[in-house]
Amino acid sequence: KAGVTQTPRYLIKTRGQQVTLSCSPISGHRSVSWYQQTPGQGLQFLFEYFSETQRNKGNFPGRFSGRQFSNSRSEMNVSTLELGDSALYLCASSPEGLAPDTQYFGPGTRLTVL
Amino acid sequence: GDSVTQMEGPVTLSEEACLTINCTYTATGYPSLFWYVQYPGEGLQLLLKATKADDKGSNKGFEATYRKETTSFHLEKGSVQVSDSAVYFCALLTGRRALTFGSGTRLQVQP
Repeated sequence: KAGVTQTPRYLIKTRGQQVTLSCSPISGHRSVSWYQQTPGQGLQFLFEYFSETQRNKGNFPGRFSGRQFSNSRSEMNVSTLELGDSALYLCASSPEGLAPDTQYFGPGTRLTVL
Repeated sequence: GDSVTQMEGPVTLSEEACLTINCTYTATGYPSLFWYVQYPGEGLQLLLKATKADDKGSNKGFEATYRKETTSFHLEKGSVQVSDSAVYFCALLTGRRALTFGSGTRLQVQP
């Protein structure tokens, strides 16, 4: 099976712009989660989607949003970019249904905000 | 809230040395525990996992045992290789479905 894919791999934006990142989960996986990785804060949970519904959300401002499509692909959007949004954004998919299950990560999208 | 504490790095070892990376956790309920590895410029790869007390996860010569009494999940390997150089993350997963990660431990193996 193909792994989790994320596009684009690298992105450069300027402050105030918005950005959309895409994630395709492993075939058959229904849950998609997003994480932010920075040198200062480490790995932090953004949100998780299952069956096109956000099930859980981390402690991030409303500028960070996401959605999931009927084929389980997911996108996350960051509006009004700030310098501090520069990070590696990781998507993970999980086969789970009712119970939490192992999450498998993609290669990430590295966002640089200038 | 949930939390994971890992030993500070970097850990520098010679090839064929023994490795232990300590990990302890705080969680409500009964979490699943994981070790992920991150190579430069890449995402996280699942190394091993354990879902209940006394389970031992193992993969590629690495092992970790879920110790409920000490709330620990230490990563061990008997003989490291240069190719094991990477950052290792301990993580837990509860019913909230959000992984909580430790700060990561960088391992450098010298030939």
